[in-house]
Amino acid sequence: KAGVTQTPRYLIKTRGQQVTLSCSPISGHRSVSWYQQTPGQGLQFLFEYFSETQRNKGNFPGRFSGRQFSNSRSEMNVSTLELGDSALYLCATKPGASTDTQYFGPGTRLTVL
Amino acid sequence: GENVEQHPSTLSVQEGDSAVIKCTYSDSASNYFPWYKQELGKGPQLIIDIRSNVGEKKDQRIAVTLNKTAKHFSLHITETQPEDSAVYFCAAPDGSSNTGKLIFGQGTTLQVKP
Repeated sequence: KAGVTQTPRYLIKTRGQQVTLSCSPISGHRSVSWYQQTPGQGLQFLFEYFSETQRNKGNFPGRFSGRQFSNSRSEMNVSTLELGDSALYLCATKPGASTDTQYFGPGTRLTVL
Repeated sequence: GENVEQHPSTLSVQEGDSAVIKCTYSDSASNYFPWYKQELGKGPQLIIDIRSNVGEKKDQRIAVTLNKTAKHFSLHITETQPEDSAVYFCAAPDGSSNTGKLIFGQGTTLQVKP
């Protein structure tokens, strides 16, 4: 089985711009969670989607949003980028809604200048 | 919500020695505890996990122990090798058992010296 795919792998944006990141889950996985990883804050949960519905949301401002499509692929969007949004954005997928093993993708490295 | 503390933040061992990383959690309802290994430039890779109805789980050179009473769990790596050098994260679910939200420890950078 192919693993979790994230595109693009690297992005450079400037302050004020917006960005969209994509995550394709392992085949058969219907739950997608997004995490932000920074040296200072570590791994922080952004949100979780299951069957196209947001089930959980972390403590991030409304500039961070996401969605999930009927094929379980997910996108996250960050609007009005700030310097502090520079981070590695990771998605993790699992088969169902219950607490279960999550598999991470390679991440998208976002740099905001 | 759940809070996870991880120690030590850095660990340096000689090849062949054992390494132990410890985590504590706050929510007694947590029932699933994964460990991830992250190498430079890659996403976290699950190496082992344990559920609360089990006290210990082993997979070759890696083992995890869980003490529910004390609310802590530990990763044990025996016969360490240079390729074990990486950042290791523990995690626990936040909220009910029906969630994908994991709370992570701050990570332990393990260096295995040849």
